[in-house]
Amino acid sequence: QKEVEQDPGPLSVPEGAIVSLNCTYSNSAFQYFMWYRQYSRKGPELLMYTYSSGNKEDGRFTAQVDKSSKYISLFIRDSQPSDSATYLCAMSRSNDYKLSFGAGTTVTVRA
Amino acid sequence: DTGVSQDPRHKITKRGQNVTFRCDPISEHNRLYWYRQTLGQGPEFLTYFQNEAQLEKSRLLSDRFSAERPKGSFSTLEIQRTEQGDSAMYLCASSLLANTDTQYFGPGTRLTVL
Repeated sequence: QKEVEQDPGPLSVPEGAIVSLNCTYSNSAFQYFMWYRQYSRKGPELLMYTYSSGNKEDGRFTAQVDKSSKYISLFIRDSQPSDSATYLCAMSRSNDYKLSFGAGTTVTVRA
Repeated sequence: DTGVSQDPRHKITKRGQNVTFRCDPISEHNRLYWYRQTLGQGPEFLTYFQNEAQLEKSRLLSDRFSAERPKGSFSTLEIQRTEQGDSAMYLCASSLLANTDTQYFGPGTRLTVL
């Protein structure tokens, strides 16, 4: 079993819809949680960064972390065709800074 | 451009050849990381440096792989005697020691071993 599980999709939604992405993990030592966006054949771009449990909002993006359930989510409101990409969840422990990634979910927003 | 840069962006080589990739981190970033990403998967950690010291290596990094960061600035990743299984995207990331969990990635080097 992988340390971080993420539904690979693909996910296709109409423009303006809410996109919901999630990851589960098995290692309770993870304290830092991130979401990256990756366009085809490009490097990952940091979208959201959260420490421990709670919610964080940045524009159209909301990240949620529930450590008791070992579950994290990313919501994209008012989705745009430019949001079409692969979204990767990532996490790390407090004293070990290498990132463990999910497999990524490919999202297509249809105009 | 002050982001992480990687060179080359693409490399095609024949099995058994040696290849070397370069990563230039964001200026003043103390930590530098290498990851490998295969199609349909998330990046997997290979190794990381704090300044010029290599602090950790994944067991994914076989004896054919070596990484250096000689002056604590740019880094190189060398693969000797390449195998078809080495075909992947090799990603470099950097971060500030004061904010080590925010890693910024470069565009990657895509390696194809024929």
